[in-house]
Amino acid sequence: GENVEQHPSTLSVQEGDSAVIKCTYSDSASNYFPWYKQELGKGSQLIIDIRSNVGEKKDQRIAVTLNKTAKHFSLHITETQPEDSAVYFCAAIEGVTGGGNKLTFGTGTQLKVEL
Amino acid sequence: EAGVTQFPSHSVIEKGQTVTLRCDPISGHDNLYWYRRVMGKEIKFLLHFVKESKQDESGMPNNRFLAERTGGTYSTLKVQPAELEDSGVYFCASSFRPGAEAFFGQGTRLTVV
Repeated sequence: GENVEQHPSTLSVQEGDSAVIKCTYSDSASNYFPWYKQELGKGSQLIIDIRSNVGEKKDQRIAVTLNKTAKHFSLHITETQPEDSAVYFCAAIEGVTGGGNKLTFGTGTQLKVEL
Repeated sequence: EAGVTQFPSHSVIEKGQTVTLRCDPISGHDNLYWYRRVMGKEIKFLLHFVKESKQDESGMPNNRFLAERTGGTYSTLKVQPAELEDSGVYFCASSFRPGAEAFFGQGTRLTVV
């Protein structure tokens, strides 16, 4: 099955700086890679995703890059703000068309944005 | 439109007791998933319903866990009897179709003492 590794486990940045979280996956058939933000008392919210037919996707201050050859993908947050502080999870779908959303998650990164 | 809702938000029970978690998916979403995060580790898949049928239950840890989705609407996850290692956060998610975005509930924090 799929195996997803995520680094770092904790990340502290100064407000305004950039934050980068990296994930690797093992199953070359995986074709969908979402990123979730988990805040205390809230559900995990999808913040950005990327499919295997593109290498980069950007949404305002958030971007995700995918390297299929190396089987790794990264989350980039620019101009970080205190409200970006949360636990971020990467995930990969064991990519069988019609097989459902059996997401395999990374171990999470606790991001802390300091004033 | 209401999102995925889970009840209760937090449950504290004694070892050996029974607990039932509930998930109400987004209306019209046939696909419902249960995940859990135990002891600060990664979120792990438990099972996947398509309507009332269990499509994939390969992640269920043992027979103390029973998931149901009668009528294909809300789902329940029962733990009986609960053990200390069952403590964690249980998430439910739903999607309109396989491969579509999965929407997560806020999770139920289960503490077994």
